Amino acid sequence: DTGVSQDPRHKITKRGQNVTFRCDPISEHNRLYWYRQTLGQGPEFLTYFQNEAQLEKSRLLSDRFSAERPKGSFSTLEIQRTEQGDSAMYLCASSSAGAGNQPQHFGDGTRLSIL
Amino acid sequence: AQSVSQHNHHVILSEAASLELGCNYSYGGTVNLFWYVQYPGQHLQLLLKYFSGDPLVKGIKGFEAEFIKSKFSFNLRKPSVQWSDTAEYFCAVGANFGNEKLTFGTGTRLTIIP
Repeated sequence: DTGVSQDPRHKITKRGQNVTFRCDPISEHNRLYWYRQTLGQGPEFLTYFQNEAQLEKSRLLSDRFSAERPKGSFSTLEIQRTEQGDSAMYLCASSSAGAGNQPQHFGDGTRLSIL
Repeated sequence: AQSVSQHNHHVILSEAASLELGCNYSYGGTVNLFWYVQYPGQHLQLLLKYFSGDPLVKGIKGFEAEFIKSKFSFNLRKPSVQWSDTAEYFCAVGANFGNEKLTFGTGTRLTIIP
């Protein structure tokens, strides 16, 4: 069973550097989501794609964040000029199309640590 | 805007005890409700979901939840917990149409003592 795959699992970087994460969704899923989770909190929605179209972005997603899904398959999340507050677990989820919410399947996440 | 409140931050139970984790949500429209579980070192997994119909939904591993619309609640229950149920449990709500994002509660850490 190939679930949602995220790479890398852990990223350590210095403040001010740019980082990019990759998410490969379940192959037949056309919806892809990014969430951020900090210690002691539940995941917080960042952005959502249906196929290659980015349909919603949270206000949490500052101008330093950008996400793409160029061919409607894998997605990347880039953070430019990282700050201490960006340290978190970045989760990717995917789901299939359907009426209302379909269950989202989550990856293992990428843990970002800013030095 | 949607919001989810999980009242219990950390629950400690002995094996075979009964479990009820509270979840209340705030949203003006029709909602879909979910419970996710995160076992130590693993990714979030869906325990159960409510979309419509019977408000008592059954999930995996003997868990169930009841949607009480008048109370805006979706509490998770299990009659007899096992040590392997030690995990973090998240309640989540999504709108029934339109945007597809989930709003999660802060989670409840469940520790089962053998």
